[in-house]
Amino acid sequence: QKEVEQNSGPLSVPEGAIASLNCTYSDRGSQSFFWYRQYSGKSPELIMFIYSNGDKEDGRFTAQLNKASQYVSLLIRDSQPSDSATYLCAVNGYHFGNEKLTFGTGTRLTIIP
Amino acid sequence: GAVVSQHPSWVICKSGTSVKIECRSLDFQATTMFWYRQFPKQSLMLMATSNEGSKATYEQGVEKDKFLINHASLTLSTLTVTSAHPEDSSFYICSATTDLAPGTDHYTGELFFGEGSRLTVL
Repeated sequence: QKEVEQNSGPLSVPEGAIASLNCTYSDRGSQSFFWYRQYSGKSPELIMFIYSNGDKEDGRFTAQLNKASQYVSLLIRDSQPSDSATYLCAVNGYHFGNEKLTFGTGTRLTIIP
Repeated sequence: GAVVSQHPSWVICKSGTSVKIECRSLDFQATTMFWYRQFPKQSLMLMATSNEGSKATYEQGVEKDKFLINHASLTLSTLTVTSAHPEDSSFYICSATTDLAPGTDHYTGELFFGEGSRLTVL
C-alpha cells in the first residue's frame, strides 16, 4: 500500500462548479496534511494545510480532515480555469528523526470554461 | 512567506560531467533542507534530507556518491550530480523548513520550495 494515495485523474470540472480532490494516507501517526498546487514545469506551491479533524476554509478552498478514516480532501468552490493544475496531497511524518513530507502522485484537475 | 531560491533554473550538460545546484533560504534559517526529483507526470520523490553541519540522509535507492549534498550553512545547501548521464535528466526541487517547536499552534512542518532546476543531460 502506498503511503499517500490520490486518484491520478484527470478530473474535469465545469467552470463555476465545485472540484473535489481526495487523498488517503497509511501512517496513523501523521500530524499535518498539506495540499500543494503545481503548474506544469513549476515548483509546487502551498494552498492549504490542516492538522485538526474537521474543515478548514480559506477563500474558495476548504480542506477536510478525518484522521479516523485517514482521509483528507480539498474542495475548490467556484472553480476557475486558473485552477487547472496538478494537486499534490502531502502528509507530514518523521523520518530518521527529521520531518518528512510524503507526497501523493497528484491529481490533474482541468477546469472546463 | 519565506523565500527559497534555487539556481540554476535550468542546465544542459554533456554526459559524464558534474552539475551543481544551489538552494538558498533568503530570509530565514533553514536547519533542514530536502532534495526532491520529479520525472515528467510523476510526483515528487524525496532523494535526501540534509541538516546543517551533518551528513545528508539518503532515501533508499539514491546513490549518495552520485548525488552529493552539502549543507554547510543555515542558508545554503547544494546538490551535485556527479558524472551525470541522460537518465539523470529530471526536475530537481529543494525545499527548506525551520526548526520550530512541534506541538504548538504555529508548528505546521511547512516546507518552502525552491523554483526547481531542470537538468538535461545530453
